[in-house]
Amino acid sequence: DAGVIQSPRHEVTEMGQEVTLRCKPISGHNSLFWYRQTMMRGLELLIYFNNNVPIDDSGMPEDRFSAKMPNASFSTLKIQPSEPRDSAVYFCASRGQGRAFFGQGTRLTVV
Amino acid sequence: QQQVKQSPQSLIVQKGGISIINCAYENTAFDYFPWYQQFPGKGPALLIAIRPDVSEKKEGRFTISFNKSAKQFSLHIMDSQPGDSATYFCAASLDNYGQNFVFGPGTRLSVLP
Repeated sequence: DAGVIQSPRHEVTEMGQEVTLRCKPISGHNSLFWYRQTMMRGLELLIYFNNNVPIDDSGMPEDRFSAKMPNASFSTLKIQPSEPRDSAVYFCASRGQGRAFFGQGTRLTVV
Repeated sequence: QQQVKQSPQSLIVQKGGISIINCAYENTAFDYFPWYQQFPGKGPALLIAIRPDVSEKKEGRFTISFNKSAKQFSLHIMDSQPGDSATYFCAASLDNYGQNFVFGPGTRLSVLP
């Protein structure tokens, strides 16, 4: 298995634009997590899904953030409109048999 | 009650020395405690994990010590190497695929040559 795959690896966008981050979890994993990492706040859980169903989205900072998981092999995190304070590294992780694996992350810069 | 505390925030160790990172949790329902290692520009990678039915787990130079009564666990890196320089995160969870992880704030380890 290629592991958790995220795209793009880097994204630079202007304030106000829509940003979509993508994640392909490990096949057979039933849980998927979206995290945001910054120097100030460390790893923050944004939302997680079990069997494609959102379970806890209390970490989603604002209505500008939304996440979907239309099937077991794909998830998106969308920010609309984006703001400079959204600049961070966004990680997707999937979990199966107790163990969780992270993707390489998407470094988002909003200018 | 969901918090995981981690210390120190940063650690500098000489090559060949022992690196020790400590974590404490509050929720006694947690029963799965992994450690993740993160290099710059990379995602966190699972390093080693322990369940509370054992007090210690060793994999190569990495050892987790677990104290259930104190609700504490620690990572020991023996014979630390410059290649171990990374950020280390402890975490806690229920041992079930559907459960979230609670992460500590991380420890930045630097191993001097």
